[in-house]
Amino acid sequence: GESVGLHLPTLSVQEGDNSIINCAYSNSASDYFIWYKQESGKGPQFIIDIRSNMDKRQGQRVTVLLNKTVKHLSLQIAATQPGDSAVYFCAENSGGYQKVTFGTGTKLQVIP
Amino acid sequence: KAGVTQTPRYLIKTRGQQVTLSCSPISGHRSVSWYQQTPGQGLQFLFEYFSETQRNKGNFPGRFSGRQFSNSRSEMNVSTLELGDSALYLCASSFGAGSSYEQYFGPGTRLTVT
Repeated sequence: GESVGLHLPTLSVQEGDNSIINCAYSNSASDYFIWYKQESGKGPQFIIDIRSNMDKRQGQRVTVLLNKTVKHLSLQIAATQPGDSAVYFCAENSGGYQKVTFGTGTKLQVIP
Repeated sequence: KAGVTQTPRYLIKTRGQQVTLSCSPISGHRSVSWYQQTPGQGLQFLFEYFSETQRNKGNFPGRFSGRQFSNSRSEMNVSTLELGDSALYLCASSFGAGSSYEQYFGPGTRLTVT
C-alpha cells in the first residue's frame, strides 16, 4: 500500500549549520511531493513542493531533492536558525485530487 | 487575506456523544480537506470536499462524515465518539483545481473524548 516514511525521528543541528531531513516513499505512482513544517500548537505550513518530473527545486534557504530511482526525498535547510525548530513532514499526492499521505515527521532541534 | 479558520479550537466530549467541527477556507478556495493528527498515527487523511461534493475519502469508519456548503465552508461530524477519537483535527484549503496542489492548514480543533 501507499506509505511515506522518514528515516530519523529527531535531528539536532547547530545554529548556522545546514540541515538535511530525509524521507522515503513507496508509491511509484506519486507525482507530487510536499514538505511541511509544523510548529507547536499550529497547523502544518507549506514549505516547498516538487513534481515527479523534477530532481531538484530551490526556495528561500530550502532545497528539495527527489530521487525517483530509490524513491527518496530530502529537504535541505541552509544556515539553520532557531526559528527552524519544528516537526517536518514529507507528504505525497498521488492523484489529481487532494488526497495527501503524510510521513511520520522529523523533529528538528536547533542548538544555539 | 485571512487564513483558514477552525472552530472551536478546543472541545471536550464524552464517549457516545457526537461532535461537529467547522472550517472556513481561504477566500476563493473551493477544496477543503480534513485530517486527523494523533501522536500514534500521525497525520491521516479523512476526506476532501470540492464544490460541495466529497471527492476523496480516507480509511475511516462511517462515524466520520463531512459536508461542504455553497460558500465552501465545511463541517465534519463524528458520531458515537470513542476515546480513540481524541486528536487534533486539521482542515486545509486549496484551489483544488488546475496544477496547484498547495494546501493551507488551519490551526486545528483539539478534541478530547473522556
